[in-house]
Amino acid sequence: AQTVTQSQPEMSVQEAETVTLSCTYDTSESDYYLFWYKQPPSRQMILVIRQEAYKQQNATENRFSVNFQKAAKSFSLKISDSQLGDAAMYFCAYRRDGGTSGSRLTFGEGTQLTVNP
Amino acid sequence: DTGVSQNPRHKITKRGQNVTFRCDPISEHNRLYWYRQTLGQGPEFLTYFQNEAQLEKSRLLSDRFSAERPKGSFSTLEIQRTEQGDSAMYLCASSLNSPYEQYFGPGTRLTVT
Repeated sequence: AQTVTQSQPEMSVQEAETVTLSCTYDTSESDYYLFWYKQPPSRQMILVIRQEAYKQQNATENRFSVNFQKAAKSFSLKISDSQLGDAAMYFCAYRRDGGTSGSRLTFGEGTQLTVNP
Repeated sequence: DTGVSQNPRHKITKRGQNVTFRCDPISEHNRLYWYRQTLGQGPEFLTYFQNEAQLEKSRLLSDRFSAERPKGSFSTLEIQRTEQGDSAMYLCASSLNSPYEQYFGPGTRLTVT
């Protein structure tokens, strides 16, 4: 079974600084997708960034970028120029490619990010 | 608003009662998912539909839980004989028939007293 581990329950960053959230996963599959989701307090979960395992190039979305190390099964999220609105719980998620179980997302435990003004 | 909607947003019930939650997905999305999230944890997969067919159920979905998606539109999740351990946020998500983004609703928070 696939597992996703986020070893940092809490992180904090100063506004305008850079922070990196860690995620490792375990799978025997070669084709899969990785995601970072953001869940602000009392608000719904939204997708921040995704990475296809077959792509070597790291995904980037504005101030958000990932460091995807397939061999190490590591998928970290870097937030540059942190803003107060980035404060939220961040979840790393895995989804295998294909099959009926290829649709479920497997989430990590989450990292609570605080942005200090 | 054309996002995923869930009703009710909050539900308080007494142990042993039955509860039903509703999820309305984004209209063109043929896939619908249910997850459960307990406080301080990541969501856990419960079940998923493609159109009206329930294609996968997690072991977490005991026989007290049942989900339906009649006509492939909205979905309901019913919990019979609720227990205190059922207290959680129940999240619904929908997607197109693609490997990419699942769009989440705001969730229904269930408290069993």
